[in-house]
Parts: sequence; C-alpha cells; structure tokens
Amino acid sequence: GNSVTQMEGPVTLSEEAFLTINCTYTATGYPSLFWYVQYPGEGLQLLLKATKADDKGSNKGFEATYRKETTSFHLEKGSVQVSDSAVYFCALPYGQNFVFGPGTRLSVLP
Amino acid sequence: NAGVTQTPKFRVLKTGQSMTLLCAQDMNHEYMYWYRQDPGMGLRLIHYSVGEGTTAKGEVPDGYNVSRLKKQNFLLGLESAAPSQTSVYFCASSWGPLVRDTEAFFGQGTRLTVV
Repeated sequence: GNSVTQMEGPVTLSEEAFLTINCTYTATGYPSLFWYVQYPGEGLQLLLKATKADDKGSNKGFEATYRKETTSFHLEKGSVQVSDSAVYFCALPYGQNFVFGPGTRLSVLP
Repeated sequence: NAGVTQTPKFRVLKTGQSMTLLCAQDMNHEYMYWYRQDPGMGLRLIHYSVGEGTTAKGEVPDGYNVSRLKKQNFLLGLESAAPSQTSVYFCASSWGPLVRDTEAFFGQGTRLTVV
C-alpha cells in the first residue's frame, strides 16, 4: 500500500535560514501529494499540494516539487521566520484516507 | 465560519471510565474522520464515515465506537478507557473521499489522558 517516509526532527534553525524537510513516498500510480502544517495548539491545515508529476505546490513562501523519478516531495523555504515554528506532515491519499508521515517539528529561533 | 469544532479540548479519565468526544462541522461535508496522534507516529485513522448513518473502521479501531446520526456530527466513544488511549484526538472532514486533490479540514484536537 501507499506509504510516506519523512525526516524526523526536531529541526532547529535560526531566523532567515534555509529549510528543507525531506519526504519520499511509495505508491501505486501517481497520487496527489500534500504538506500539512500544525501550529502550536491547533489542528492540521493544508500548506500546499501537487496533483501530478513535476507540479510545484507553493504557499506562504514554502515550495515542494512532485518528482516521480525520485518519488519525493521535499518541502523548502528560502528564509524561515519564527512564525514558521510548527510540525510539518507529508501526506498522500490511500483508499479513502490519508497516509501521514510522522511529522517534523521545526523550531525557528530569533 | 467555525469549520470543524471538537468538544472537549482537554479531558482526564480514570481507567475504565467512558466518554464521548463530539465533532461538529458546518461545511456540509459528507466525509468525516477520527484520528489519533501519538509522538513519532503521525496521525492514524480510527474510524471514518462516508455519509450520515454510515461508519467504517480505520487503521486502529479497537476500543472505540463511533456514530454519525446527523450529517454534521461525528461522535467518538470510549466505552472503557485504557492508558494506551492517552493521545491527542483529531476530527476531520472533507466534501468527498481523500483522493486526488481533496482537502481535509481538521479540528483543534482533544487532549485525552487516561490515568
């Protein structure tokens, strides 16, 4: 079945540093891929998504490119802010559900 | 818009006690889900519903029951709580099945501790 492997944190960066959170997947066919974010004390919310190979999802300065040749969907941001401190989840559909990665906790220090 | 609302936000139970978690959504979504979130394990699906009056088991259904008597509400019950059910519980909803680019909307979570 579909599965997600995601780098586990925690990741601690200084403000304005470059961020990469790795995500690779195993799936039948070419499913859509998602990044969800969970800010402290809140539920998950959609950050970005890509629905086909070579698509680039982007939102709030974050980007991720759907690369079928490496089965990856790495999350990147050029300059992180303190407000980006959160837990980030890679996810893909499986049946009528999502399969989520374990989450990567990001802490950004001023 | 309220979106997805969970009640309560926090609860402490003694082993063997029962409780019900309530999830309400105001987006007229057909699909609703209950997940549990444990450290290092991401979110795991407990039960889900594809419409009013329907329920189905997810990945980790044991020890839980659910009901979907009204389209906007999805209840999660613990009949006899165990310490292993200490977790953060999230409810989510979507207009359709989570395929292609369908987005899921999440509540803020319920932190449950069983002592």
